[in-house]
Amino acid sequence: DTAVSQTPKYLVTQMGNDKSIKCEQNLGHDTMYWYKQDSKKFLKIMFSYNNKELIINETVPNRFSPKSPDKAHLNLHINSLELGDSAVYFCASSPGTGGFTDTQYFGPGTRLTVL
Amino acid sequence: AQSVAQPEDQVNVAEGNPLTVKCTYSVSGNPYLFWYVQYPNRGLQFLLKYITGDNLVKGSYGFEAEFNKSQTSFHLKKPSALVSDSALYFCAVRDTAAGNKLTFGGGTRVLVKP
Repeated sequence: DTAVSQTPKYLVTQMGNDKSIKCEQNLGHDTMYWYKQDSKKFLKIMFSYNNKELIINETVPNRFSPKSPDKAHLNLHINSLELGDSAVYFCASSPGTGGFTDTQYFGPGTRLTVL
Repeated sequence: AQSVAQPEDQVNVAEGNPLTVKCTYSVSGNPYLFWYVQYPNRGLQFLLKYITGDNLVKGSYGFEAEFNKSQTSFHLKKPSALVSDSALYFCAVRDTAAGNKLTFGGGTRVLVKP
């Protein structure tokens, strides 16, 4: 009955590789997000999608490309991984259009380690 | 630009004592304020939010927060802390003048000792 799920939970890879993280929500929400939490626990938004359309795109290297095949899924693909990409990546979702009052619900996170 | 400050990296409190986690914010428009908790190796869990109305907001697990517009604060409180409240707490804000982006504070680690 997991509301927001992410796979994999842990990802260890070499510099230069390409990897993907998958996110699925079964809450029927229309808006999904990707956040990055660095080693100091600072949490920052990367992207958000509403009904498969990109609505927030923060200053993120274009090596990061989100893909939303349907409104229940938002995957994150990362090309040419760098050491600085090591972090915990959280997926989240919210009802409606991601408006001001909407509550976001977070997945368990994916810990990415780039060696 | 909107911002959130959590001035304390860590708060230590004895079990049974009151717990306060501080949060101040800066916005251009009207603020919508949220508190989340993160347990070790887990995702963030929603605790409560202030949208409008009563300045005292009650949330999950016995937590409450008070919105103070003049002091631009939204401190999280619990009258009697439990050891199981030990976690990382995040305050977040949305600014009606700055789009739908949710901006998080740096987090405050709470350690409740038996």
